[in-house]
Amino acid sequence: EAQVTQNPRYLITVTGKKLTVTCSQNMNHEYMSWYRQDPGLGLRQIYYSMNVEVTDKGDVPEGYKVSRKEKRNFPLILESPSPNQTSLYFCASRRDGPYEQYFGPGTRLTVT
Amino acid sequence: RKEVEQDPGPFNVPEGATVAFNCTYSNSASQSFFWYRQDCRKEPKLLMSVYSSGNEDGRFTAQLNRASQYISLLIRDSKLSDSATYLCVVNLENNDMRFGAGTRLTVKP
Repeated sequence: EAQVTQNPRYLITVTGKKLTVTCSQNMNHEYMSWYRQDPGLGLRQIYYSMNVEVTDKGDVPEGYKVSRKEKRNFPLILESPSPNQTSLYFCASRRDGPYEQYFGPGTRLTVT
Repeated sequence: RKEVEQDPGPFNVPEGATVAFNCTYSNSASQSFFWYRQDCRKEPKLLMSVYSSGNEDGRFTAQLNRASQYISLLIRDSKLSDSATYLCVVNLENNDMRFGAGTRLTVKP
């Protein structure tokens, strides 16, 4: 089954404790991205990657890091999480070009 | 002006009603357009792509008006199961996709 998976689905952590949210897709998509979704603000792009070893900042990259060592994986790293990073996070992938994006199920992160 | 704007709603309609959403975009070079549906706390899923000639899928019709820079989604004969948030997505010329903040629809019995 073609899908995007994210782990963990739910995470409660404390300020400053490094965490990683994994994202994996099995559709051989070149393009992957991370979004955060907050009430009233819609989906905002954090980082994206056009292909292996190629990553770029989106609209709200501060406080986040990513890597793309393999085509299928695109982890999101929060080196020192803060409460303002409490949000619902989605990973997405698509073929290179103006095609639909496929989203993972989301990770609900709470930073206290 | 935001790149993609939608009326946030909420739209509360009775079952069987026809409801329409509009979405405006600011970049005249935008190339492709989509409507996504998002259920509460779930991931967005593609509802339909929007083609220049307009397209229909069952009770759903999408239209594109390039001159006025907006796309629309029409839902006929609303069902309770249509209750969701509808996201407008615009693909910019560099393949950067921009999402609207979404329009919330509640269909009531």
